[in-house]
Amino acid sequence: EAGVAQSPRYKIIEKRQSVAFWCNPISGHATLYWYQQILGQGPKLLIQFQNNGVVDDSQLPKDRFSAERLKGVDSTLKIQPAKLEDSAVYLCASSSRGSGRLNTEAFFGQGTRLTVV
Amino acid sequence: DAKTTQPPSMDCAEGRAANLPCNHSTISGNEYVYWYRQIHSQGPQYIIHGLKNNETNEMASLIITEDRKSSTLILPHATLRDTAVYYCIVRRTSGTYKYIFGTGTRLKVLA
Repeated sequence: EAGVAQSPRYKIIEKRQSVAFWCNPISGHATLYWYQQILGQGPKLLIQFQNNGVVDDSQLPKDRFSAERLKGVDSTLKIQPAKLEDSAVYLCASSSRGSGRLNTEAFFGQGTRLTVV
Repeated sequence: DAKTTQPPSMDCAEGRAANLPCNHSTISGNEYVYWYRQIHSQGPQYIIHGLKNNETNEMASLIITEDRKSSTLILPHATLRDTAVYYCIVRRTSGTYKYIFGTGTRLKVLA
């Protein structure tokens, strides 16, 4: 089974520039998550999709961050304009929507390391 | 979602059992306990989860106290490759199913 694919692996941009990250979840997984992980901290949930609908974006800085999941498969996360404090690893994860304890674990990609200079 | 408390760091000798504690005193009846780990420069990896019974799989064992207010992840024979940050997460089984990570426990396995 192929895992969660993310690209690029690394990105360096100047502040005020824009950047986009791409995620391809595991085939058939309805739920997709984007997390931000600042160095030394645990991942912080930015947005959660169920198919192509947003179920939680309460932690997404909507003035500069946007995300979409067209057709309920791939997803992109965009930052425009970037700030220095956006330097972090951006993780994508997916899970199947299971009831009870079956198939509810999330599988994570390797992440995109963003450096804003 | 209930919060969890974990020690920031632990050491364990290679070949010995690693016991990682987690406190989740505000857990509610419909919340599971999940454990993930994150090896350096990788995304978090699922280890195990449980509701109220002890669980075991090929990676680890999960012991949940009877009142469900705390749990322990046990790696029976730690290896150097088990060096990682371990996250204990309490997660609802309905609603948004989201995973809220804390700061975890940094486990260092010593040769």
